Amino acid sequence: AQKITQTQPGMFVQEKEAVTLDCTYDTSDPSYGLFWYKQPSSGEMIFLIYQGSYDQQNATEGRYSLNFQKARKSANLVISASQLGDSAMYFCAMREGREGNTPLVFGKGTRLSVIA
Amino acid sequence: NAGVTQTPKFQVLKTGQSMTLQCAQDMNHEYMSWYRQDPGMGLRLIHYSVGAGITDQGEVPNGYNVSRSTTEDFPLRLLSAAPSQTSVYFCASRAGGSYNEQFFGPGTRLTVL
Repeated sequence: AQKITQTQPGMFVQEKEAVTLDCTYDTSDPSYGLFWYKQPSSGEMIFLIYQGSYDQQNATEGRYSLNFQKARKSANLVISASQLGDSAMYFCAMREGREGNTPLVFGKGTRLSVIA
Repeated sequence: NAGVTQTPKFQVLKTGQSMTLQCAQDMNHEYMSWYRQDPGMGLRLIHYSVGAGITDQGEVPNGYNVSRSTTEDFPLRLLSAAPSQTSVYFCASRAGGSYNEQFFGPGTRLTVL
């Protein structure tokens, strides 16, 4: 079974609008971490934001925030005030276990296109 | 720090040839991983290592070998290249602890004819 599911292959958003990229995960481990990465057309992988399973508050990093709903096993990325430079592939990923000895597992990604 | 470096950036092989993709990191990270990226498939884990001398298989290990003789280096060997191994390969590393971000190399684009 897939551990990370990203159901939106592609998304469009108007510049300056907010957009939510969906991510659901599957684990029976109470300790896990959730990550979002951005991959622009140049190909590099850029870390955006992290949320731990025991974190009480939703993570935020600048224009990025993570809408973490533990009971629903969802960790949606919210990008506020979209910019043209936000056009990229976005990957949700998870690492299980308190010690972090397990590898990072990725979803299939969502391609975001920001329209002027 | 150079971070995570990968060589070569591009490679074309013929079916049946073997080669090694190099990966090195200078951050003294314990954990290193190899992924392949194919359109519509996301990043799939090939092999990973939790320290020198310790490696394990990921989701798609067939046709690939790895070794970790030093903390810094984690080469990926293609034993007998097949067209199905045409992909972009990423090496990554991170420090211990579940919360640490993973740093990626720039990738190697491999084409097998």
